[in-house]
Amino acid sequence: AQSVTQLGSHVSVSEGALVLLRCNYSSSVPPYLFWYVQYPNQGLQLLLKYTTGATLVKGINGFEAEFKKSETSFHLTKPSAHMSDAAEYFCAVSYTGGFKTIFGAGTRLFVKA
Amino acid sequence: DAGVIQSPRHEVTEMGQEVTLRCKPISGHDYLFWYRQTMMRGLELLIYFNNNVPIDDSGMPEDRFSAKMPNASFSTLKIQPSEPRDSAVYFCASSSKDTQYFGPGTRLTVL
Repeated sequence: AQSVTQLGSHVSVSEGALVLLRCNYSSSVPPYLFWYVQYPNQGLQLLLKYTTGATLVKGINGFEAEFKKSETSFHLTKPSAHMSDAAEYFCAVSYTGGFKTIFGAGTRLFVKA
Repeated sequence: DAGVIQSPRHEVTEMGQEVTLRCKPISGHDYLFWYRQTMMRGLELLIYFNNNVPIDDSGMPEDRFSAKMPNASFSTLKIQPSEPRDSAVYFCASSSKDTQYFGPGTRLTVL
């Protein structure tokens, strides 16, 4: 069975500091991995995804994530946080692509001035 | 493309009333999903369709909930009768490949 664990329901960083949001997954078959972002009063939107190929994936707004099969991880990073990055971030996994995506519980990112 | 469209954006109703939420997926997408988001439970998949056919409704909480997709461009989620614990944000999403595109959600409040 597939599952997603996001470590830390809340993460707080200072503006300009490194952002690191952790995600571990379990999957019996090669996974598709996603990070979505949700701003207040909006739906989720895709930040980046890994399907096949290069394990370091770059997304929008300067975010990137690395698929590490040996660690079953897909952590999200950004070198320098901006106030506009404050939002909730969801890691997700699927194996068939396009349907029955399993979402993590979400990590709320706070950015301090 | 206008993206996934949901209506209404906000709904306030009284316990026992019927509630119908509507969704128009992105044209050409063959998968449609209904989710519910609450503080306590997070994001829950309720049901999803492929080519207008319900594939998995195991997330539908009770018989009070029903969903239909009469054609490729329209889906409804109905709650009858509604209860205060149904208060949540309901999202519709659609996809054609590996990425789901979410609508803005309907915030439902049942008094």
